[in-house]
Amino acid sequence: DAGITQSPRHKVTETGTPVTLRCHQTENHRYMYWYRQDPGHGLRLIHYSYGVKDTDKGEVSDGYSVSRSKTEDFLLTLESATSSQTSVYFCAISERGSTDTQYFGPGTRLTVL
Amino acid sequence: QKEVEQDPGPLSVPEGAIVSLNCTYSNSAFQYFMWYRQYSRKGPELLMYTYSSGNKEDGRFTAQVDKSSKYISLFIRDSQPSDSATYLCAMWGNTGTASKLTFGTGTRLQVTL
Repeated sequence: DAGITQSPRHKVTETGTPVTLRCHQTENHRYMYWYRQDPGHGLRLIHYSYGVKDTDKGEVSDGYSVSRSKTEDFLLTLESATSSQTSVYFCAISERGSTDTQYFGPGTRLTVL
Repeated sequence: QKEVEQDPGPLSVPEGAIVSLNCTYSNSAFQYFMWYRQYSRKGPELLMYTYSSGNKEDGRFTAQVDKSSKYISLFIRDSQPSDSATYLCAMWGNTGTASKLTFGTGTRLQVTL
C-alpha cells in the first residue's frame, strides 16, 4: 500500500460521538485525499490537501473536517457521527495533483450505530 | 444519471477465459482513463493508465478507449483465480466538470478453477 497506513482499521461508534481517522504516509507526497466507498456509489472524494495546512472540500464534505499539520499526516474528523457516515474510508496520496496517479491506503471500516 | 456507469457484476468466468470489463461515460471532456483493481478489504491499486483513444497493453491486460462511443474496456487474457477482485474505472479531463477524478462503482470479477 505504497507506504500509507490508516488507523484505526476498524471502528464501531455511536451516533453523536466524534470520530477521528488518521492517515500516515512515508512517501513525502504533497497531495493527500480522503474518500468514502459505499455500495452503488463507488469512491467519492470528501476532502483533500495540497500541502501542510492547505485543504479543500470534495463532493461529499458535509459533516466532515480535516487537518494537516505535517506532510505525513492527514486527519479526518466526524464532529458528530451519524449512521449515514457508516462506510469504508480510504486515504490516498499523489505527487502532483488529484489527477496524478493516486496510491491508496488499506482503508478504515467505520460503523456508526 | 451518473457521469460514469459500470456494471456491478458479479462476473464469473472459468480460469483461462478472456474477460471484458467495461465503462461508459457521458462527459466528452474526459481524456485520461484508468483502471484500478481492488481486492477484498484492500485499497484500490492502479492497473492501467491511458490517454485519449486507442489501446494499451501490459502483460495479460489491455485497456481500450473509444472516445467516439464514450466507452472504455479492460481485457484480461488467460484469467487466473488471482485476478478475482473488483475493477474500478476512473477518468478525468483538463476542463470544467471533467477536471476531477471520477470513479465508476466497480465490477466484481470471480475467476473459478
